[in-house]
Amino acid sequence: SQQGEEDPQALSIQEGENATMNCSYKTSINNLQWYRQNSGRGLVHLILIRSNEREKHSGRLRVTLDTSKKSSSLLITASRAADTASYFCATDAGAGKSTFGDGTTLTVKP
Amino acid sequence: DTGVSQDPRHKITKRGQNVTFRCDPISEHNRLYWYRQTLGQGPEFLTYFQNEAQLEKSRLLSDRFSAERPKGSFSTLEIQRTEQGDSAMYLCASSLRGAGAGETQYFGPGTRLLVL
Repeated sequence: SQQGEEDPQALSIQEGENATMNCSYKTSINNLQWYRQNSGRGLVHLILIRSNEREKHSGRLRVTLDTSKKSSSLLITASRAADTASYFCATDAGAGKSTFGDGTTLTVKP
Repeated sequence: DTGVSQDPRHKITKRGQNVTFRCDPISEHNRLYWYRQTLGQGPEFLTYFQNEAQLEKSRLLSDRFSAERPKGSFSTLEIQRTEQGDSAMYLCASSLRGAGAGETQYFGPGTRLLVL
């Protein structure tokens, strides 16, 4: 079974709105990463947050991490149609490999 | 382009045939990973290398699967006697293992395998 679980499984919003995706995981981690995947393509790294960090920003992206609740959230502000993709969280427990959830499929309607 | 490259991008084969995929990582990266992804799911870890040493293999990697990274640069993933259940996207990623925690994995475009 996967370490991380994203919620919701699917999200549909209008362009300009904010999109929030959540990730929960089961074991202690060194870091958590968010990736984007356009249909049929490889994964694009978005942001990495370490276990001793609580929040990080990158452009329109904001990631939070709550290690006490074993959860993370990804906020995309002012969404665009080009943000339509699947978003995955991946946890690194220290062995280097990443364990992925099954993703949130985001649809941004123009 | 200095990103991770994979070849071929698509492969259609008949059940029982052998297939081999190649991954070229980012040149200075010492770690290389293989993942498998089926439709609607996230990538599942298969195996990874640090330089030429294969450090971990998932139980998903049956004895029909073998991976190599002979010179610590490119890697190959071979599937022998393919089965329809092997149909998936095979993703390669590379990273630079440093002293601190938190290494970003950079993914290639994937090889999509269809076993008929």
